[in-house]
Amino acid sequence: NAGVTQTPKFRVLKTGQSMTLLCAQDMNHEYMYWYRQDPGMGLRLIHYSVGEGTTAKGEVPDGYNVSRLKKQNFLLGLESAAPSQTSVYFCASGGVTTNYGYTFGSGTRLTVV
Amino acid sequence: GEDVEQSLFLSVREGDSSVINCTYTDSSSTYLYWYKQEPGAGLQLLTYIFSNMDMKQDQRLTVLLNKKDKHLSLRIADTQTGDSAIYFCAEIFSGGYNKLIFGAGTRLAVHP
Repeated sequence: NAGVTQTPKFRVLKTGQSMTLLCAQDMNHEYMYWYRQDPGMGLRLIHYSVGEGTTAKGEVPDGYNVSRLKKQNFLLGLESAAPSQTSVYFCASGGVTTNYGYTFGSGTRLTVV
Repeated sequence: GEDVEQSLFLSVREGDSSVINCTYTDSSSTYLYWYKQEPGAGLQLLTYIFSNMDMKQDQRLTVLLNKKDKHLSLRIADTQTGDSAIYFCAEIFSGGYNKLIFGAGTRLAVHP
C-alpha cells in the first residue's frame, strides 16, 4: 500500500549514543517533515524538506540533523541522544497542493535513558 | 506567531454528539484540518475545510468555521466507542512550504 514508512518502530538509547530514523514515502511527494509528539504539547516540527537535497529548521531543531539525498527518503539523526529527546517521532509527507494535508507514518517511539 | 489551541479532554456518552473546538491565529490559512490519532498509531486525516467555506459535512462529521473569530469546530454525530481517539486541529502556515501547525490534541473518551 502507498504511504509513509518509518523505521524503527521502537528504540531505547543510552545518553550520548547516536541513531538515525528513516522515513520513506512512495507517493512522489515534494515535501517531507519530521515532528515530535510529547504529552500535552501536540506535534512540534523539528525539520522539514521542500525537495531533494534541501532541508530547513522547524520549531525545535536543536540536537537533530536531517538529510534528504533522495526524494523518497528523509533521515533524522540524533548525534548525541539526551533524555529530553525521549518522544514519539512522526514523519509526514505532502504534495505541493495543500487540500489533502499530510500523510503520516506510524511513528517511532524513542526512549533515552 | 502562529498558534492553535484546543481543550485537552472531552467525555461523551455513546450515541450523543461530540463537539471539539479549536482556535487558530493565522487568518491567512487557506485550509484547516482535523486529524484523528488512535492509540499507538500515526495521525489520519479526518476532514478538512477550505477557508472560504463556513461549513462542511461528511457523513457523521460536521466542520464549522468562523473566520471572524478564528474558531473551528468538529461535530461528531451519534458518537461511537470507535470514535475514542485524540483529535488534532491544524492550520496551514501561510509562510510557505505547506507547514502545518497543530494544536495539542483533544482526547475524546466515549462511555456507555
